[in-house]
Amino acid sequence: DTAVSQTPKYLVTQMGNDKSIKCEQNLGHDTMYWYKQDSKKFLKIMFSYNNKELIINETVPNRFSPKSPDKAHLNLHINSLELGDSAVYFCASSHPGQGTGRSYNEQFFGPGTRLTVL
Amino acid sequence: RKEVEQDPGPFNVPEGATVAFNCTYSNSASQSFFWYRQDCRKEPKLLMSVYSSGNEDGRFTAQLNRASQYISLLIRDSKLSDSATYLCVVLTNFGNEKLTFGTGTRLTIIP
Repeated sequence: DTAVSQTPKYLVTQMGNDKSIKCEQNLGHDTMYWYKQDSKKFLKIMFSYNNKELIINETVPNRFSPKSPDKAHLNLHINSLELGDSAVYFCASSHPGQGTGRSYNEQFFGPGTRLTVL
Repeated sequence: RKEVEQDPGPFNVPEGATVAFNCTYSNSASQSFFWYRQDCRKEPKLLMSVYSSGNEDGRFTAQLNRASQYISLLIRDSKLSDSATYLCVVLTNFGNEKLTFGTGTRLTIIP
């Protein structure tokens, strides 16, 4: 029943490791996003994909590589993890340009993945 | 200057009180405006859109002043369940839609 799901929910790893976070949405949306929420709770967009095509790529280190195998999935791979990568990563999806019944351009967020780099 | 600025709070108000949040945004080309709510250790969820004419949803009233680039949220008769962080969010679209979030205002309703 979950609209936007992420795995894992918690991820604890050592500096220098490579890890992946997976995201899936069953809402039929065309656009998916990755956000990072740091320790100060500031939520900032990292990437946006529309129909498997990269649309937005904010100033993010190239250690972060998103991959969209299909429009229902957007995974995030992180190489050579650093202490500063510790944060909560949220996946989201939306159907831009179309009313969703409640609001135009509403983005639906996954439950988040709490990444801790030691 | 941050693109979207909010008073981080915390706001601690007694149950039943009225509380108001303010937000300013720097990009005059911003097109749509929202308030999202984020509970502790949860994901953000849309609370309401903000329209130029002002809009109300039950105990919640949102206002937008495009000339001043200012957005507000008023919560009347606050409930314990209103305790959360309220995020002011602005949409820009220069070919690609992008949401910019404020840092959020933390609200605690005290019984």
